[in-house]
Amino acid sequence: RKEVEQDPGPFNVPEGATVAFNCTYSNSASQSFFWYRQDCRKEPKLLMSVYSSGNEDGRFTAQLNRASQYISLLIRDSKLSDSATYLCVVNWNRDDKIIFGKGTRLHILP
Amino acid sequence: EPEVTQTPSHQVTQMGQEVILRCVPISNHLYFYWYRQILGQKVEFLVSFYNNEISEKSEIFDDQFSVERPDGSNFTLKIRSTKLEDSAMYFCASSEAGLAGWETQYFGPGTRLLVL
Repeated sequence: RKEVEQDPGPFNVPEGATVAFNCTYSNSASQSFFWYRQDCRKEPKLLMSVYSSGNEDGRFTAQLNRASQYISLLIRDSKLSDSATYLCVVNWNRDDKIIFGKGTRLHILP
Repeated sequence: EPEVTQTPSHQVTQMGQEVILRCVPISNHLYFYWYRQILGQKVEFLVSFYNNEISEKSEIFDDQFSVERPDGSNFTLKIRSTKLEDSAMYFCASSEAGLAGWETQYFGPGTRLLVL
């Protein structure tokens, strides 16, 4: 089973719509979770951490479901500038190593 | 805003040659990392470095790879004898503290390595 798995997409979504995607992880001992954003040929940039209680940052909401071993990202009122690849990132075993998912591509259509 | 910088932005080399990729982490950060991303693939962890030694490394980081912090600002990745499959984007990252928690990593813009 892959360590961190994401639907590669692409998700083609009209501007203003709400979009959500999930990421599953295989290691139940996983400690911390993040969503990163990566624009084409650019470096990953932290979008938000994902806390057990769920957290929100403006139009973005992240949730964690430990029982089912997945995290989710919800984007409301999507903007053209949200077009990017969204990377699910997991750290486990309390070590200095994180595992990236392959990413979900999102295209916001005008 | 402080940022991680990397040089060169692009490097073309012949198979079997040695390359050194350079990074300047954010100045007050203590933990440093290298990742690679083969075109169209996921970002893969290579190595983490703290207190002048490797703290974690992946299966990819074999004897052909080494890291060094030669002075107070630079952090380098050396590939001793490059192979075609080493062609990738290499990202350096740094963080104030280790990743066993919610610590944020900051990534540099990457060096695109092409091995011919």
